[in-house]
Amino acid sequence: SAVISQKPSRDICQRGTSLTIQCQVDSQVTMMFWYRQQPGQSLTLIATANQGSEATYESGFVIDKFPISRPNLTFSTLTVSNMSPEDSSIYLCSVEGWYGTDTQYFGPGTRLTVL
Amino acid sequence: DQQVKQNSPSLSVQEGRISILNCDYTNSMFDYFLWYKKYPAEGPTFLISISSIKDKNEDGRFTVFLNKSAKHLSLHIVPSQPGDSAVYFCAACGSSNTGKLIFGQGTTLQVKP
Repeated sequence: SAVISQKPSRDICQRGTSLTIQCQVDSQVTMMFWYRQQPGQSLTLIATANQGSEATYESGFVIDKFPISRPNLTFSTLTVSNMSPEDSSIYLCSVEGWYGTDTQYFGPGTRLTVL
Repeated sequence: DQQVKQNSPSLSVQEGRISILNCDYTNSMFDYFLWYKKYPAEGPTFLISISSIKDKNEDGRFTVFLNKSAKHLSLHIVPSQPGDSAVYFCAACGSSNTGKLIFGQGTTLQVKP
């Protein structure tokens, strides 16, 4: 499986600001995803990061709030814009495994606290 | 609408005994199921998966059983070890939603020495 890193690992931010989270993979992958885990909740898919085109967002998530970049096959960013305390969550990127399976492998996550 | 449900928020077992974690789903289009383990401050770690064409998949101490008619799957860990103490998530996806994993709420397993 690929080695996935995320930066920052954690951050404390003020209401109204934005934070960009980076996800780096040590090999080229086709599919990259961004998830959110709110406190005490399960993981929810935010969007699929498409290389060279706009991300595909799930219901309830919009590009203005969570802009995503995917400039190449090893890197993606997620920005949490105009943050409020409700955005306090763990944000995780994942990549799909080898061709033919739907297994996803996750990065270590970014723990975001918004004051 | 919770399509994947883990009805037991927590489970406590003695070291060496069997741990059984359960998961139910409602969407008959799901055809691939996965179990992840998550420690605090870490991302989920993939454990084991099963395709809907099978009813059992085994990997070392971990076995996943799938009952399609009941829309139920379970993860058996035997023997349980204290290092298995973590939150376990089941997840499901369907071929029509490539890449979209739907997760259950998680079950916290505590294995007592």
